[in-house]
Amino acid sequence: QKEVEQNSGPLSVPEGAIASLNCTYSDRGSQSFFWYRQYSGKSPELIMSIYSNGDKEDGRFTAQLNKASQYVSLLIRDSQPSDSATYLCAVNRNAGNQFYFGTGTSLTVIP
Amino acid sequence: SAVISQKPSRDICQRGTSLTIQCQVDSQVTMMFWYRQQPGQSLTLIATANQGSEATYESGFVIDKFPISRPNLTFSTLTVSNMSPEDSSIYLCSVAYTGETQYFGPGTRLLVL
Repeated sequence: QKEVEQNSGPLSVPEGAIASLNCTYSDRGSQSFFWYRQYSGKSPELIMSIYSNGDKEDGRFTAQLNKASQYVSLLIRDSQPSDSATYLCAVNRNAGNQFYFGTGTSLTVIP
Repeated sequence: SAVISQKPSRDICQRGTSLTIQCQVDSQVTMMFWYRQQPGQSLTLIATANQGSEATYESGFVIDKFPISRPNLTFSTLTVSNMSPEDSSIYLCSVAYTGETQYFGPGTRLLVL
């Protein structure tokens, strides 16, 4: 069983729609969760972090965490073509900065 | 967030040779890490670079193949030794301050022929 699992996609949404990206993790004791965006040929860029159950909003992005079900999701509202990228879910199992990354979900926003 | 630079940005090397990649941060950081991202794959942690002591390697990675140095709180190097085509990858440096959040450098794209 992988530490972090994501649907690799590709996920296509029309411009202006909501894109929903999902991630599950195996270690119930995981404490910290992160979403990174990676454009083709570029390095990962942090979008959001979330530590507590519930929703966390930042502009058009909302991260959702459900520790009981061991999943974390990212919603992108009013999707733009510039959101087209691969989105990586990362989980920190403990305070030692040991990140586990999912394989990423490729998102394409169609104009 | 940090301003992170890596050198070289890309290189083409012959098998059997070694390449040293440098990672420089514009401010002191607590943690520095080295990752590998093979084509179409996600990130795999190679090791945590520890200042003043030996790096901590993940399963499947060994010091003889990937020696790492971290002489201070703003600089680290990763050497890929005795390269083979299977080492062709993007190598990424990341850093963390006192918190957990990691920030990535621009990466080094390595092709081994």
